[in-house]
Amino acid sequence: DTEVTQTPKHLVMGMTNKKSLKCEQHMGHRAMYWYKQKAKKPPELMFVYSYEKLSINESVPSRFSPECPNSSLLNLHLHALQPEDSALYLCASSQVISLPDTQYFGPGTRLTVL
Amino acid sequence: EDQVTQSPEALRLQEGESSSLNCSYTVSGLRGLFWYRQDPGKGPEFLFTLYSAGEEKEKERLKATLTKKESFLHITAPKPEDSATYLCAVQGRGLAGNNRKLIWGLGTSLAVNP
Repeated sequence: DTEVTQTPKHLVMGMTNKKSLKCEQHMGHRAMYWYKQKAKKPPELMFVYSYEKLSINESVPSRFSPECPNSSLLNLHLHALQPEDSALYLCASSQVISLPDTQYFGPGTRLTVL
Repeated sequence: EDQVTQSPEALRLQEGESSSLNCSYTVSGLRGLFWYRQDPGKGPEFLFTLYSAGEEKEKERLKATLTKKESFLHITAPKPEDSATYLCAVQGRGLAGNNRKLIWGLGTSLAVNP
């Protein structure tokens, strides 16, 4: 089973709202990723967790706050977003990031910021 | 600088008309090359991982090949359901940290007409 699940599928929020995106995998993977994808562009890496520790932060604004409660779960907390943050947010997981391993993606959360 | 270029940008085929998509790369020591398929509004779906020049992998109507400079995704007798954007990404050897993230191409948008 190579399934990564994400909730919610769609999210509409105002610039003053606080919301969270959730991601879950049960493949025993120890690396999890958050990506942002704009239309007709490839995924853009935001954060990487390895063994539940943040290992890469691609200079993402602090209005995005990641959290990895355990090896199967990954959250992205959103606060005071801007309209330009509207995008498809993707979660992915892989076995170990120090190897040439494959990242498996979830279906994504379509976020609209009003 | 690591770079991935995909061509063509868009391709329209008739059902049954075989063709190839190209992914050219420059990377400081290839660790792996990945092919994904992405449907509109959904997360990328993993297709293949290639590790070394000369390697080939097949899945149904798709066959991926790898040389030292490029990879091809051959589509044999495509069907309308093969319509999607096909993304290529590479991971270089580099050092620990950001050098291990995926470098993405912009994708090839494939449309197969019945």
